[in-house]
Amino acid sequence: DSGVTQTPKHLITATGQRVTLRCSPRSGDLSVYWYQQSLDQGLQFLIQYYNGEERAKGNILERFSAQQFPDLHSELNLSSLELGDSALYFCASSVADRGHEQFFGPGTRLTVL
Amino acid sequence: DQQVKQNSPSLSVQEGRISILNCDYTNSMFDYFLWYKKYPAEGPTFLISISSIKDKNEDGRFTVFLNKSAKHLSLHIVPSQPGDSAVYFCAASVGTGTASKLTFGTGTRLQVTL
Repeated sequence: DSGVTQTPKHLITATGQRVTLRCSPRSGDLSVYWYQQSLDQGLQFLIQYYNGEERAKGNILERFSAQQFPDLHSELNLSSLELGDSALYFCASSVADRGHEQFFGPGTRLTVL
Repeated sequence: DQQVKQNSPSLSVQEGRISILNCDYTNSMFDYFLWYKKYPAEGPTFLISISSIKDKNEDGRFTVFLNKSAKHLSLHIVPSQPGDSAVYFCAASVGTGTASKLTFGTGTRLQVTL
């Protein structure tokens, strides 16, 4: 158990819909990262927040957005969903000065029908 | 542009033997490298890491070797055990501070047979 929690575990929705994925980092970790893993692909970095502020952005679509709240939990919002958005979405967290050592949650499996 | 490559999608090794997983990278700015292990229905678990100023790091049965001139790293598992069967991801980062992001390879599925 990494200490990072993600909800829900599974999500099935239809094209065009909007969903919110939630992540709670390990106690004390200020950084939260979101990754997408499509079928047979590596993990693709989406976005990072540090203590409530966006710190780094990867290949995140404009239809996707994220935020980190004062209690440090984070939400990833996916809108106008397409079939190709079906993937595993992982959240990771790290301590402030060791961003290269990230601890991952169990992931949310999103299926868009 | 795949900056981190794991060219072997799968590897099968007998229990007790050495498993060698390979990874190549193209970005010279990477200064920290990590290996993650992933079981089905779980998130990746940090296994071992190495800074670019070193060429070897060892932790129990796991050793990571870094060849900067060849832009190549490898993970050695000795002896291999059935519980090591999982997907192994190589990852790299530029910097180690608050703005680090990991670039992952596509993974190698290791199967350790009896």
